[in-house]
Amino acid sequence: DSGVTQTPKHLITATGQRVTLRCSPRSGDLSVYWYQQSLDQGLQFLIQYYNGEERAKGNILERFSAQQFPDLHSELNLSSLELGDSALYFCASSSSGGMMADTQYFGPGTRLTVL
Amino acid sequence: AQSVTQLGSHVSVSEGALVLLRCNYSSSVPPYLFWYVQYPNQGLQLLLKYTTGATLVKGINGFEAEFKKSETSFHLTKPSAHMSDAAEYFCAVSEYGNKLVFGAGTILRVKS
Repeated sequence: DSGVTQTPKHLITATGQRVTLRCSPRSGDLSVYWYQQSLDQGLQFLIQYYNGEERAKGNILERFSAQQFPDLHSELNLSSLELGDSALYFCASSSSGGMMADTQYFGPGTRLTVL
Repeated sequence: AQSVTQLGSHVSVSEGALVLLRCNYSSSVPPYLFWYVQYPNQGLQLLLKYTTGATLVKGINGFEAEFKKSETSFHLTKPSAHMSDAAEYFCAVSEYGNKLVFGAGTILRVKS
């Protein structure tokens, strides 16, 4: 158990819909990262938040957005869903902003299926 | 731009045999390098990481990796495979210590 929690575990929805994935980092960790794992694209970094502020951005679509709240939990919002958005979405957390390559601890993931 | 190439999407070894999973990276600055393992239906778990200093890095479960700058490689090894090592292994690079760029993964099968 990494200490990172993600809800829900599974999500099945239809094209065009909007969903919210939630992540609670390990106690004391200030950074949250979101990654997408799909069969065709592999594991891709989406976005990082550090202490409530966006720190780094990767291959995140404009239809996707994220935020980190004062209690440090984070939400990833996916809208206008397409079949290709079906994937496993991981959240990871680390203690600092990442400049020291501190370990990222991964949650169990949320499996999103878009029908 | 950073990138990672893992040679061999599937590797099969016999129990007790040497495990060697290959990873080559590309980075414009001295990289941070990582190996993660993913068991079925689970998240990723860090095996080991290289930041600076000693180029031979020891990790959990008997795994180790050697950073070779001249070869831009960070291969993962374990002297003797165990059935419980069967999983998918990911090599990752980070240039500035934050976002991880992953390779495509190598599925390790251990035969009894």
